[in-house]
Amino acid sequence: EAGVAQSPRYKIIEKRQSVAFWCNPISGHATLYWYQQILGQGPKLLIQFQNNGVVDDSQLPKDRFSAERLKGVDSTLKIQPAKLEDSAVYLCASSLAMTYEQYFGPGTRLTVT
Amino acid sequence: ELKVEQNPLFLSMQEGKNYTIYCNYSTTSDRLYWYRQDPGKSLESLFVLLSNGAVKQEGRLMASLDTKARLSTLHITAAVHDLSATYFCAVASSYNTDKLIFGTGTRLQVFP
Repeated sequence: EAGVAQSPRYKIIEKRQSVAFWCNPISGHATLYWYQQILGQGPKLLIQFQNNGVVDDSQLPKDRFSAERLKGVDSTLKIQPAKLEDSAVYLCASSLAMTYEQYFGPGTRLTVT
Repeated sequence: ELKVEQNPLFLSMQEGKNYTIYCNYSTTSDRLYWYRQDPGKSLESLFVLLSNGAVKQEGRLMASLDTKARLSTLHITAAVHDLSATYFCAVASSYNTDKLIFGTGTRLQVFP
């Protein structure tokens, strides 16, 4: 079974630029999560989708971050404009509905200079 | 607001020794996870603990959960170098059980 796929794996941008990350969850997984992991910290949930609807986006900085999951499968996370403090690893995870296990992708490491 | 604390933050231990990592959380939850993360890698699920008194073991790692004390432990028996990694506990929010609140992690280094 293929795991959660993310791209790109690495991205370097200057502050005030825009960036987008892509996630393809495990086939059949209805729930998709985006986490932000700052160096030396645990992951923090940014947004959770159930199919193509948002379940929780309480910690998403909505003035600069946006995410969508249009067909209930792939998802994109966008930052516009980026700030230095957005430097982090962005992890995507997915899970089957009504189950406990979340499966994490390899992450995208973003450096904002 | 649910807060999750781990200690120690750093742990350097000799091969063959035993040690315990502690995870405390601030509000009621009935689900706790342990993950392993190698440098530059993603998170690997180790254990999911679903009820008070739950104990799970895999190889040299054993995890337990005491929901009344809001405490989980990850016990390492006879450590080997391959266990060197960062270990995170994560607790499910009571209002959204899919929302995980992670601790700051324990960086474990096992030396000969």
